[in-house]
Amino acid sequence: EILLTQSPGTLSLSPGERATLSCRASQSVSSRYLAWYQQKPGQAPRLLIYAASSRATGIPDRFSGSGSGTDFTLTISRLEPEDFAVYYCQQYGSSSWTFGQGTKVEIK
Amino acid sequence: QVQLVESGGGVVQPGGSLRLSCVASGFTFSTYGMHWVRQAPGKGLEWVAFIRNDESNKYYVDSVKGRFSISRDNSKNTLYLQMNSLRAEDTAVYYCAKDGGDFWGQGTLVTVSS
Repeated sequence: EILLTQSPGTLSLSPGERATLSCRASQSVSSRYLAWYQQKPGQAPRLLIYAASSRATGIPDRFSGSGSGTDFTLTISRLEPEDFAVYYCQQYGSSSWTFGQGTKVEIK
Repeated sequence: QVQLVESGGGVVQPGGSLRLSCVASGFTFSTYGMHWVRQAPGKGLEWVAFIRNDESNKYYVDSVKGRFSISRDNSKNTLYLQMNSLRAEDTAVYYCAKDGGDFWGQGTLVTVSS
């Protein structure tokens, strides 16, 4: 079973700043099967990035994903007020999903 | 537009049962696998179960094996999760999601408490 560890647990930043979120896998993950989600309180998760670096439909280009093997990164180039939320990385195989524990991006 | 609407949540005593439903619209339901994912209060996301589009295979997280059963009715565009022998640790919002993760329902809350 692949475990995903996200860091930091909480990121305190101001609007306009750059956010860098990390996701480390316990073993190598195919880039084709790594995704990132955003979740706001009381809402379902929203797919941001799939296949490690492809933006989902309607996702602004300030969101970007990168990485390979065991280390993946979600970058938000300039934080907008609506970007303060919890972010999850996810590994998706042919039959199951695994999520990281989440990174909360909060307003400093 | 794509919609996934869950129902069936509520309060149940430990050891009890519930059946969740997820009605899909806006896409060809019968061609996609479907997942259930849950989120305990204040916690992260936990994948629960997956069913292939034709019900040929079903998969579960270890903690629910033997207690939960995922199924679907493609003629009704509906996904189900039968939950038996419920425990306090099953308390969560349960989401259905289309394989690929691009569409999720709004969730239904299951509370297991005496």
